[in-house]
Amino acid sequence: QKEVEQDPGPLSVPEGAIVSLNCTYSNSAFQYFMWYRQYSRKGPELLMYTYSSGNKEDGRFTAQVDKSSKYISLFIRDSQPSDSATYLCAMGAGTDKLIFGTGTRLQVFP
Amino acid sequence: DAGVIQSPRHEVTEMGQEVTLRCKPISGHNSLFWYRQTMMRGLELLIYFNNNVPIDDSGMPEDRFSAKMPNASFSTLKIQPSEPRDSAVYFCASTPGTGVNQPQHFGDGTRLSIL
Repeated sequence: QKEVEQDPGPLSVPEGAIVSLNCTYSNSAFQYFMWYRQYSRKGPELLMYTYSSGNKEDGRFTAQVDKSSKYISLFIRDSQPSDSATYLCAMGAGTDKLIFGTGTRLQVFP
Repeated sequence: DAGVIQSPRHEVTEMGQEVTLRCKPISGHNSLFWYRQTMMRGLELLIYFNNNVPIDDSGMPEDRFSAKMPNASFSTLKIQPSEPRDSAVYFCASTPGTGVNQPQHFGDGTRLSIL
């Protein structure tokens, strides 16, 4: 079993929809949780960063961490075609290396 | 403000040839990471440096891979000899601090194809 599991998609939604992206993990020591967005033929860029449990909101994006269920989510409200990209979750503990999910490909059509 | 710069952007070469990938981290960043991305395995950490010193190379697949960071503004990842299974996108990333869990700034990668 991988330490971090992420549904590869693709996920296809109409413009304006609410998108939910998720990752599960097995290591209860993980404390740092991140979401990266990766456009085609580009490097990943940090979208959201959360430490420990709880919610964090930034504009149309909300990140949630549920440590009891070992489950993290990224919600995108009022999705736009420009949100079409691959979204990677990443997490780590202490000084250990960051573990990435394989990414979920999202397509938002007009 | 320049981001992480990688070269070349694309590399196509024949099996057995030596391949050298280059990375210039963001000025002032202390840590540098090399990753490999494939559809099957996602983004995998190969090696990371802190203040030009290799800290963890446990992700380097085998002895054919080597990485150096001769100074704070330059790093190389070398594959010799290259094999078709090395085909992937290789990313370099840097962070301003020394923690591996800090948000990382990625370059746009080198797309490597070994024929």
